[in-house]
Amino acid sequence: DIVMTQSPDSLAVSLGERATINCKSSQSVLYSSNNMNYLAWYQQKPRQPPKLLIFWASTRESGVPDRFSGSGSGTDFTLTISSLQAEDVAVYYCQQYYSVPFNFGPGTKVEI
Amino acid sequence: QVQLQESGPGLVKPSETLSLTCTVSGGSIGSHYWSWIRQPPGKELEWVGYVFYTGNTNYNPSLKSRVSISVDTPKNQFSLNLNSVTAADTAIYYCARGLGDRTTPFDHWGQGTLVTVSS
Repeated sequence: DIVMTQSPDSLAVSLGERATINCKSSQSVLYSSNNMNYLAWYQQKPRQPPKLLIFWASTRESGVPDRFSGSGSGTDFTLTISSLQAEDVAVYYCQQYYSVPFNFGPGTKVEI
Repeated sequence: QVQLQESGPGLVKPSETLSLTCTVSGGSIGSHYWSWIRQPPGKELEWVGYVFYTGNTNYNPSLKSRVSISVDTPKNQFSLNLNSVTAADTAIYYCARGLGDRTTPFDHWGQGTLVTVSS
């Protein structure tokens, strides 16, 4: 199984400041035949299901604000919120979809 | 807009079978992969398994001996059965759709339903 880890566990960021969340996989999720990273990011607000933000490590889902961006390759990935808004308070999860089981990271809680 | 809705008992006794159904509206269940994901209260997400509209399935190895997912295309529904449950199976259970023609990531989710395992 590919194990996903995230850091930090939580972070507090001022409104308008940058938030950076790291995700690491226990083995590469880069598929050599198509040069794609099988890594997604989700946002989960209290009492709501997760919402897909980013897939293929850096492709924003339709309707996701451009202050959210994803980067990285292989085993190390980053989700960046360039200018934190009040509505961005949530838990953020990374997920690999390179191989079964499609494991999620433990989550990073972002607060103001 | 595709919508998913979970339904089923909120309380299941230990050793019994947990059964949930996900009803898909606003779109066809065909040509997509459909998954169950669970989240114990306050904990992280765990992918349970998926079914394709043809009936093809794949499960999390940690649950494979106890889980079964099936699809009912005329009803636009898919279902989860998890047998021999224990308190460790207490969780919010979500149904979700794979993006495009992929098994995952998940672009549409149900609101989730809390299932508690207790006598």
